[in-house]
Order: sequence, then structure tokens, then C-alpha cells
Amino acid sequence: DIQMTQSPSSLSASVGDRVTITCRASQGISNYLAWYQQKPGKVPKLLIYAASTLQSGVPSRFSGSGSGTDFTLTISSLQPEDVATYYCQKYNSAPLTFGPGTKVDVK
Amino acid sequence: EVQLVESGGGLVQPGGSLRLSCAASGFTFSSYAMSWVRQAPGKGLEWVSAISGSGGTTYYADSVKGRFTISRDNSKNTLYLQMNSLRAEDTAVYYCAKDLMWVEDAFDIWGQGTMVTVSS
Repeated sequence: DIQMTQSPSSLSASVGDRVTITCRASQGISNYLAWYQQKPGKVPKLLIYAASTLQSGVPSRFSGSGSGTDFTLTISSLQPEDVATYYCQKYNSAPLTFGPGTKVDVK
Repeated sequence: EVQLVESGGGLVQPGGSLRLSCAASGFTFSSYAMSWVRQAPGKGLEWVSAISGSGGTTYYADSVKGRFTISRDNSKNTLYLQMNSLRAEDTAVYYCAKDLMWVEDAFDIWGQGTMVTVSS
């Protein structure tokens, strides 16, 4: 099965900073990659699918890129409400594996 | 409003069984694949199972294969997860999620989750 890894596992940044999270698949998955945001105590929320397509209603400061095995989620200007754990997920074929998550805090 | 509401969670002894339900509303249920995703306390997300809109195609994570069965009743707009031979490691919040379209797809709508605790 394809394994998903994320880096870093956690980060702390200041409001207004540009934040980048990396997700790597152990084999190529084309662009079948989604990103989710889970705020503390809340349900996961879809941010991006097809590696770079922004889900409706998601702020434009979020963006995704990549194809094959390497992907990134970028927050162009970190806001206090972005404190959350971010997960990538591959969905080219079952199992639809999630990455281990990246916890983002604001300094 | 598109909504998913899970029910059926609770405390069960190891080796026991439980059936989760997920009531869907606000969209044409039979047109979309659905999935179950779980999250153990303080841990990350784990995909559990998926089913196509017609119910004819199903997938399972290796960790639950042979013990869990996903099904759906499109006449009742309801998704199910039958869980047998439960283990302590199955303790988690179980979310149902609507696939964007296909059985292997991203999840655009999530329920609020139902807690399953496996303990003696």
C-alpha cells in the first residue's frame, strides 16, 4: 500500500507569515491528493482536492500544489483562525490513506 | 442544508458488535459514494471503509477487513457500518463522510461523529 508522510509534524509561526506543509506519497498518485483542516474539537473540513483545487468557501490564502509524489499546502498569510491540524489524503485508489497530520500554532 | 448525522456509538466489550448509522439529508444520497473515517483519542484520521452510490462496490482498510461491513439503504438515505469482533484498538470517534462523487474520492461533507469505546 502507498504510505503518506507529512513534514513538519508541527510548526509555530506568526500572524501574517507564509506557511508551507509538505506531503509525500511513497508511490506516484498523480494529482489524487486532498488537504483537510481540523480545528481543535471540530470535524475535519475539506480545503483542497485534486492537489490544487480550492473547495468552495475556503479562503484564497490557502493553496495547494504538486503532482506525483510530492505535494505542498501553503497558507500565504497565517491568521489566528488557522490554528489547526492539517492532513493530506491520497485517493487514487483504496486504501484512501491519510497523512499523520501537521499541527499549526500561532506564536 | 447538506447534513450527515451519525448514531449508534457507545460502550461495548471486546469481541462485541455494534452497528453505526449515518442519516443523510440535503442531497441526492444515491448519487454519491460514502465513507467511514475514524479518529482514535488524540490521534490522526484513519479511513475505514467506502461504498459506491449503488452499494455495489465496497472497500475496507486492512485493519477492519473481515470484521466490519459497510452498507447503505438508499430508500432511507442511510449509511451503515456493522462492526463485529471489536477490539480495544477500534476505540475512536467514527465519522461518516460524503465523497465528492466517486467511491475513491475526497470527502466534502462530514458528520459530527459518534464515539465507540471498546472496553471491559
